[in-house]
Order: sequence, then C-alpha cells, then structure tokens
Amino acid sequence: AQSVTQLDSQVPVFEEAPVELRCNYSSSVSVYLFWYVQYPNQGLQLLLKYLSGSTLVESINGFEAEFNKSQTSFHLRKPSVHISDTAEYFCAVGDTGRRALTFGSGTRLQVQP
Amino acid sequence: SAVISQKPSRDICQRGTSLTIQCQVDSQVTMMFWYRQQPGQSLTLIATANQGSEATYESGFVIDKFPISRPNLTFSTLTVSNMSPEDSSIYLCSVARDSGTYNEQFFGPGTRLTVL
Repeated sequence: AQSVTQLDSQVPVFEEAPVELRCNYSSSVSVYLFWYVQYPNQGLQLLLKYLSGSTLVESINGFEAEFNKSQTSFHLRKPSVHISDTAEYFCAVGDTGRRALTFGSGTRLQVQP
Repeated sequence: SAVISQKPSRDICQRGTSLTIQCQVDSQVTMMFWYRQQPGQSLTLIATANQGSEATYESGFVIDKFPISRPNLTFSTLTVSNMSPEDSSIYLCSVARDSGTYNEQFFGPGTRLTVL
C-alpha cells in the first residue's frame, strides 16, 4: 500500500523569503510523484511531476522539487515566494499498478507581506 | 491535458435525498476517478469508474451509497444517495489517459455539496 506524509499542515512565510514544503512517501513499487496546488475556492492544478529521468523538476512559476529515492522524499521548494503563492499544496503518489493517486494531507502555505 | 466540466458546481440538499453529479471530458480518456475532499482535508478516492462495467470502489465506500455510471469514454456520473450532513464535501472527477508508464491526472473544478 502507498502512503504520503506531508509533515507540515501550515507554513507561514514572509513575502520574498524561501520556502520548503516537505513530502515523504511510502511504496513497495516504483512511483511517480506529483505536486498539486489548490488556490482558494478553486480546483486542483498540477504544479509539477516526477515521472523518470532527472530527479530535479521545475514548474513554470519558480517552484522546484527533488526526488530523493533513498530518503523517499519529494520536497517542494521556492527561493522567493509571492503573495499569490498562498494556497494549499498537495503531494501525491501514483504507480503503474494503482492508477489512482494517493494524496497527502496537504500543506497550507500562507505568504504574508 | 483535458478539459473537464462538472455539474452542478454546487448544491445544497436536504438530508435523505440523493444528488447526481455529472462529469464531462472534452476528449476520450481511459480512466476516470471520483474523489471526495471533506472540509479542510485531503482528497480521498471513492472509486474508479470503469467504462462498460461496474465501478471499482475503495475501502469504506459502497455502491449502494455512491452508485457510479460510465456509459462512454467521455462521461461519468456519481450519485450521493440518502445524504446526511457527513456527506458535505467537494466531489471531484479526475481523468487520466493510459500512457503505459505513468498516470498523470487532471481534475475537474469540483462539486461543492452541502447537506442540511
């Protein structure tokens, strides 16, 4: 069975500061990893994904995540956050056997001026 | 990607009634899923909607409570039956194409259900 742990339920941070949202997973098979973002009163949007190849993946709005197989982690980072980054961030894991995704509990990123 | 629409976008229902939620995709997809997001919580998979056969339900979810239809490769419905306030949630449809090696999913906008 798969599981995803997001260690921080809330992360307050000041604008232009760096941030890291932590995600650890557990799986007995090779996995694919995703970060989704949910802005207030909106649906889920795919932020970035790790499928294979380079372990460092980037999004178009400055976020990046690194797949670390030995530590079973897929932490999300951004060197300088904006007010508009305030949202709920969900880490998710999938594999070719179980087609649906298993989600973490989410981390609420609150960017303050 | 895929463009996914859900109807209704929100509804307020009375205890004991049923609501059917529709999910429409703009192109054929192999897999369709239904998730629930309870207030302040993460997403939980309800079931996989299988085209031409019965849906596959996750532990804790049963067909009598959440009947699902999938008549073709672009459409599915989820019914929430005999509702109680505990069913108040956002219900999301998601789709994925069978790419052989991965299962990137796209989500609909969700249906926000409030049960009084």
